[in-house]
Amino acid sequence: GENVEQHPSTLSVQEGDSAVIKCTYSDSASNYFPWYKQELGKGPQLIIDIRSNVGEKKDQRIAVTLNKTAKHFSLHITETQPEDSAVYFCAASSWDKLVFGAGTILRVKS
Amino acid sequence: DTEVTQTPKHLVMGMTNKKSLKCEQHMGHRAMYWYKQKAKKPPELMFVYSYEKLSINESVPSRFSPECPNSSLLNLHLHALQPEDSALYLCASSRDTGDNTEAFFGQGTRLTVV
Repeated sequence: GENVEQHPSTLSVQEGDSAVIKCTYSDSASNYFPWYKQELGKGPQLIIDIRSNVGEKKDQRIAVTLNKTAKHFSLHITETQPEDSAVYFCAASSWDKLVFGAGTILRVKS
Repeated sequence: DTEVTQTPKHLVMGMTNKKSLKCEQHMGHRAMYWYKQKAKKPPELMFVYSYEKLSINESVPSRFSPECPNSSLLNLHLHALQPEDSALYLCASSRDTGDNTEAFFGQGTRLTVV
């Protein structure tokens, strides 16, 4: 089955800096890659996604890139703000299932 | 509206109790999911319903019993749980179960088994 690895497990950045979280997946049949943000005590919130026919997608301060050949995808957050502090999960869709990475705790220091 | 509503938000139950978790969405989605999330871990898939029929059961113990009364509602019936079943239970929905469809999560039910 699909296996998703996510790095780093924790990331601390200064407010205004950029943050990058990277994921790799194993199943070449996976073709949908969402990113979720989870704040304390809340459910995961879909923040951006990318499909296998696209290499990059951007939405304001967040962007996602996908390299299907290398089977990795990344989340980029620019001009980080304290409210970006949360746990971020990448995921890959395979055989009707979403398989999640282990998560990255992002701390934005003001 | 991308809202998935779960009730209750918190639940404490004894090991001999029977309780139910409820999930509702009005987005016209035909796929609904139950996930279990332990602290500091990613969500783990438990069940998938597609067009009100159970399509995936990830080898979940029978003390968890899902039910999909209609296309908008999803229940999870709990009976004879163990303390290790304490977790955040998340419901999600998507337009369909195929790849490429966005899944939206509810806020979860924080379950404590005592």
